Amino acid sequence: QLQLQESGSGLVKPSQTLSLTCELSGGSMSRGGYSWIWIRQPPGKQLEWIGYTYHTGGADYNPSLKSRVTISVDRAKNRFSLEVKSVTAADTAVYYCARENVLLKAFDIWGPGTLVTVSS
Amino acid sequence: DIQLTQSPTFLSASVGDRVTITCRTSHDINTYLAWYQHYPGKAPKLLIYAASTLQPGVPSRFSGSRTGGEFTLTISGLQPEDFATYYCQQLNSYPPEITFGQGTRLEI
Repeated sequence: QLQLQESGSGLVKPSQTLSLTCELSGGSMSRGGYSWIWIRQPPGKQLEWIGYTYHTGGADYNPSLKSRVTISVDRAKNRFSLEVKSVTAADTAVYYCARENVLLKAFDIWGPGTLVTVSS
Repeated sequence: DIQLTQSPTFLSASVGDRVTITCRTSHDINTYLAWYQHYPGKAPKLLIYAASTLQPGVPSRFSGSRTGGEFTLTISGLQPEDFATYYCQQLNSYPPEITFGQGTRLEI
C-alpha cells in the first residue's frame, strides 16, 4: 500500500529555515505519470500549494513563496524535501506532502501532515 | 488567479440524509475539479476527480456533477463515517496554479 509520511522539525525559530522530508513507502518515485507536491494549511485558513517537483525533473513554486522555497528530490531513497527560508509566524501551518496523478490532475495520495510552529 | 467559492462552510445532517456541497469557479477550468474528504490528523482522501469520476474504492453514495461553473458533491444516504471536512480543488498545469475551496465541515 502506497503511503507518504512527512518528518522534520516541529518548532522553528523566526528567521531560520524550515526543513521537512516526505518519504514514499510501498512504491517508487521513479515511476512516470506523477508529480510530488508540498501543500500547507495555516490554522483556520485554506489549503495552499507550496511547490512541485516533477517526474521529468525540475520544480515549480507558488509565486507567493517562490523566493523562499526550495524543493529537492532523492528518487533513489524515495523521498523529497522542502526548505522554507526566513520563516515568520505566518509560516506556522500543517504541512502535507502529496502525489499528483498527472492524468487526473488530482492528488491521489497524501501524507497525514505535520504541524510546524514558528516561534522563538 | 482562479477562485473557488465552496459552500456551505458548515453543514449539519443526520445519518441517512442526502447532502450537497457546491464549488463555484471564477474562470472556466474545464472539468479538472476534484473533491477530498479529510479527518483531523489524517491524510486527505481523494473521492472524485474530473468533476464526476469516482476514485476506485470510494463508495457509490458519493457522486459529483458539473453545471457550467458550478460543481457539486452529493452524498446520498449519509453514513457515520462520512462526517468529516470536504474540500474541492482545481489544478492548472501551465502556469502551475492550484486552488482549494474553503472547506465544508459536515457535522452530525
